[in-house]
Amino acid sequence: AQSVTQLDSQVPVFEEAPVELRCNYSSSVSVYLFWYVQYPNQGLQLLLKYLSGSTLVKGINGFEAEFNKSQTSFHLRKPSVHISDTAEYFCAVSVNGDKIIFGKGTRLHILP
Amino acid sequence: GAVVSQHPSRVICKSGTSVKIECRSLDFQATTMFWYRQFPKQSLMLMATSNEGSKATYEQGVEKDKFLINHASLTLSTLTVTSAHPEDSSFYICSAPRLTGGSTDTQYFGPGTRLTVL
Repeated sequence: AQSVTQLDSQVPVFEEAPVELRCNYSSSVSVYLFWYVQYPNQGLQLLLKYLSGSTLVKGINGFEAEFNKSQTSFHLRKPSVHISDTAEYFCAVSVNGDKIIFGKGTRLHILP
Repeated sequence: GAVVSQHPSRVICKSGTSVKIECRSLDFQATTMFWYRQFPKQSLMLMATSNEGSKATYEQGVEKDKFLINHASLTLSTLTVTSAHPEDSSFYICSAPRLTGGSTDTQYFGPGTRLTVL
């Protein structure tokens, strides 16, 4: 079975500062990895995904993530956050891209 | 691009009534759809896999007689919450994978349906 751990339930960051949201996964087989964002009172949006190839994945809104197989991690980063980045961020895994297992989410608070 | 819709977006019902939620893939066919439930300030939990032409597959702990799933066509799956109770109040989200060239491409999520049971 697969599982996802997001160690930080909340991350406060000052505007224009860099941010890293941590994600670790567990799986006995190769997986696809995703980061989704959920803005207040809205549905999920795909930020980025790793299927294969380059371990550094660039997504929308200036976010990127790096797949590290040895550390079973897929941390999300942004060099400079904006107030509009305030949202809940979910890391997720899938064996074949269908059934997706989500982490508990990390709430990103942007401080003025 | 691919779009998944849900209807209704919000529903309030009395305890003991049944509520039907529709999930549609608007510009692609989906033989499989997924239903998730999200409680306030929590993650999405997979409830079941909806399969066109066959029975749904439920995750452990999800009552199949309470959450009826019907995959009526290649673009429509419905989730019926039967005899709803206040503890069923939640945000229900569906998703559908779009297949490209025989392999799964991207999972598209619906905007969700907020169910409130009084």
